[in-house]
Amino acid sequence: AQKITQTQPGMFVQEKEAVTLDCTYDTSDQSYGLFWYKQPSSGEMIFLIYQGSYDEQNATEGRYSLNFQKARKSANLVISASQLGDSAMYFCAMRNYAGNMLTFGGGTRLMVKP
Amino acid sequence: DTGVSQDPRHKITKRGQNVTFRCDPISEHNRLYWYRQTLGQGPEFLTYFQNEAQLEKSRLLSDRFSAERPKGSFSTLEIQRTEQGDSAMYLCASSPLLQGLYEQYFGPGTRLTVT
Repeated sequence: AQKITQTQPGMFVQEKEAVTLDCTYDTSDQSYGLFWYKQPSSGEMIFLIYQGSYDEQNATEGRYSLNFQKARKSANLVISASQLGDSAMYFCAMRNYAGNMLTFGGGTRLMVKP
Repeated sequence: DTGVSQDPRHKITKRGQNVTFRCDPISEHNRLYWYRQTLGQGPEFLTYFQNEAQLEKSRLLSDRFSAERPKGSFSTLEIQRTEQGDSAMYLCASSPLLQGLYEQYFGPGTRLTVT
């Protein structure tokens, strides 16, 4: 069974500063993918970034980067230069190679202060 | 290229009534997923289709729930004899039929309130 843990229910960050959202996972599979989604108040889940378990380099997408530490089973999301529009719920999720469903964590609510 | 669409966006129903939701995936995506998200929680997997075949169902999908994808395009999720515990956001997602691990693209969801 897979499990995702997000230990920060809510976080504040000052506009233009960087913030790290924590995610730890548990799986017995060797091949899997880790995903981060953003969910604004409108409800839609927006894909942000993906990291494969065999990728040697940390994934980056614009202001988003993923700090992947495989031995520690962590996949933290780093948002650089926070903007007011980054205020939302953020979910970490994983899927193994053979499976089809995403397993989500409980989410972190990020609030960006002006 | 339009994204995943869901209809209706909101549904209020009385306990015991039946409801049906529709999902239209991205046109070239063969895989379609349904998730349920209750307030303050992450989405939970309900079921998965590859083309018209329903290949996986969660134990969360009780016998009051049924999902179809008759022509491998749009999908419907029906809940019979709704209960207050069914109140949630129902999310649909799609992804292409490719090898490897690809992200799932989500629709805006249908928020169900059972009174």
